This record gives sequence, C-alpha cells and structure tokens, in this order.
Amino acid sequence: KAGVTQTPRYLIKTRGQQVTLSCSPISGHRSVSWYQQTPGQGLQFLFEYFSETQRNKGNFPGRFSGRQFSNSRSEMNVSTLELGDSALYLCASTLGNNEQFFGPGTRLTVL
Amino acid sequence: AQSVAQPEDQVNVAEGNPLTVKCTYSVSGNPYLFWYVQYPNRGLQFLLKYITGDNLVKGSYGFEAEFNKSQTSFHLKKPSALVSDSALYFCAVRDPTGKLIFGQGTTLQVKP
Repeated sequence: KAGVTQTPRYLIKTRGQQVTLSCSPISGHRSVSWYQQTPGQGLQFLFEYFSETQRNKGNFPGRFSGRQFSNSRSEMNVSTLELGDSALYLCASTLGNNEQFFGPGTRLTVL
Repeated sequence: AQSVAQPEDQVNVAEGNPLTVKCTYSVSGNPYLFWYVQYPNRGLQFLLKYITGDNLVKGSYGFEAEFNKSQTSFHLKKPSALVSDSALYFCAVRDPTGKLIFGQGTTLQVKP
C-alpha cells in the first residue's frame, strides 16, 4: 500500500507570495492533518480535515488555510508569505482513531 | 491541557549498549501516547503507541516503551543500540480533539 505523498518536496518563494502544498493520504484514510516543523517551535499542529470538512484547527493566523477534496487529497495554502513561514510542512493521514502516518514533507524556504 | 516533555536534547550511547529516551506527559483523562522517529530530510515514522493494556509496549525495529502512570512517563527503550538508530525521536500525546502534541524531540547519537 502506498504511503502518504506530498508535493512538491522543496519550494523556494519570496516574501509576499503565496504557496499551495499538496498531500495525498494513504488509500482509505479520510483524515488528513497538517503540521509545521521548525527548529525553534518544533512540531506544531495546523489543521485537520475529515470528509472535506475542517475538523480541528491550531493556533496559526488566517494566512494559513486548507481544504480537502472528495478523494481525501488535501491542500494547504499560505498567503502573503513571511520569512518565519520557512519550515518543513508535514502531512499525516489516519484511519479512525489510530496512529497518524506521515508523508516526507515539503521543505518551504521563504527568501 | 495536554503536554509532553522530553527532558534531553541529545542522548549519546555506544553501539550494542541499551538506550533510553525519556518522555513525560501531562494529560487529563486516559493518555494516548506515541513515539515517532525522524531521519534527516524525512517525515516522521511511527514506532509504537500506548492506548491501553500492558504497560510495556513493543514496536518497530526492536524498540519498546514503558508506560508508567504513577510517574507519568513513557520512556522509549532498546536493549542493544545500532548506529542506524541515530535519528531524532519524538514523543507525542493525542489530545481529546485528535491532534498530536509533540515533545521537542531528542537526538539519539549511537557511536560505533
């Protein structure tokens, strides 16, 4: 069974731009969560989607948004990029209340 | 509020020796605890979980973890460390909404 896939793997943007990251969960998994990983703040929860609805949200500004499609694929969007948005963005999928399986992440660099 | 603490930024151990990576938690209600490992430029890889049942949980790659309710700890252990175990280890607790709350991570360095 294929794992969680994330595209692109690496991204370089400049301040003020916007970016869209994509995540395809494990087949059959309907819950997708997003996390931001930085050296200073560690791993922080962004949001979770289940059946195309946002079910949970972390403490991030409104510039961070997401959505989920009917095939459970999810995208997250960051608008008006700031230098501090440079991070590894991880997507995880889960089935029910079991463990989350993570993708390889998208490394975003904001210049 | 749920929280997890990993008191050691780095753990150094010689190959073949036992290893322990520490984790303490604070939760209201029953804890759902997890250990993940992260290799350079990779995502997080699930190692093991504690939901209920036996206090000693066995996971992938020979790792195990001991749940101790009285000490609110969930330490990760392995009887004999390998150089390939060198990585960043995260302890996490699932809060009532389902999201994972992670510790700051512990770098494990296994030297030959």
